[in-house]
Amino acid sequence: DAKTTQPTSMDCAEGRAANLPCNHSTISGNEYVYWYRQIHSQGPQYIIHGLKNNETNEMASLIITEDRKSSTLILPHATLRDTAVYYCIVRVAGSNYKLTFGKGTLLTVNP
Amino acid sequence: GAVVSQHPSWVICKSGTSVKIECRSLDFQATTMFWYRQFPKQSLMLMATSNEGSKATYEQGVEKDKFLINHASLTLSTLTVTSAHPEDSSFYICSARILAGVLNEQFFGPGTRLTVL
Repeated sequence: DAKTTQPTSMDCAEGRAANLPCNHSTISGNEYVYWYRQIHSQGPQYIIHGLKNNETNEMASLIITEDRKSSTLILPHATLRDTAVYYCIVRVAGSNYKLTFGKGTLLTVNP
Repeated sequence: GAVVSQHPSWVICKSGTSVKIECRSLDFQATTMFWYRQFPKQSLMLMATSNEGSKATYEQGVEKDKFLINHASLTLSTLTVTSAHPEDSSFYICSARILAGVLNEQFFGPGTRLTVL
């Protein structure tokens, strides 16, 4: 699976949009971009995933650049409960469903 | 959504004892479950892949005789830490894979914090 690069930490004001970047310049054509988050002392939570089109669900939006070398996870109205470590993972959506977690980005939402 | 539970949520044990952690998929059947370990301030590390009815596949560096995995049913996988030592103290997290039609996702349990004295 391709390697990803994320900033170590970010801050965001409550109520504002949080934009979390991820670089995956070596992504191959059949690899998806997945986002998970982990609130302190809890198991990871699936957020969203996409291949090349932008995706949106009730939690977030995923914007993938046209060359697919980077993506941005957008939390439109961040709340204090969104404070967590956010992981960007690139993998092939196939039968070998291993997830390799990097260090992620610690997003701190401030009041 | 798909729910995965773990039991216990935390456990404290003496060095040398064995500890069993259960992982259950509550509202779906999971042919594949995964076990991760997370040390403080570090990311999740995959320990093993557990397939129902067959032997688990362990990642490099994980001792299979120390971390016994049993996946006897489509909704239950267990991880037994045998002869636990303080260095085994960690946050153990399981996940279950749901494969239904076009859905192929992995859902995580809440984790079990193991402290070995």
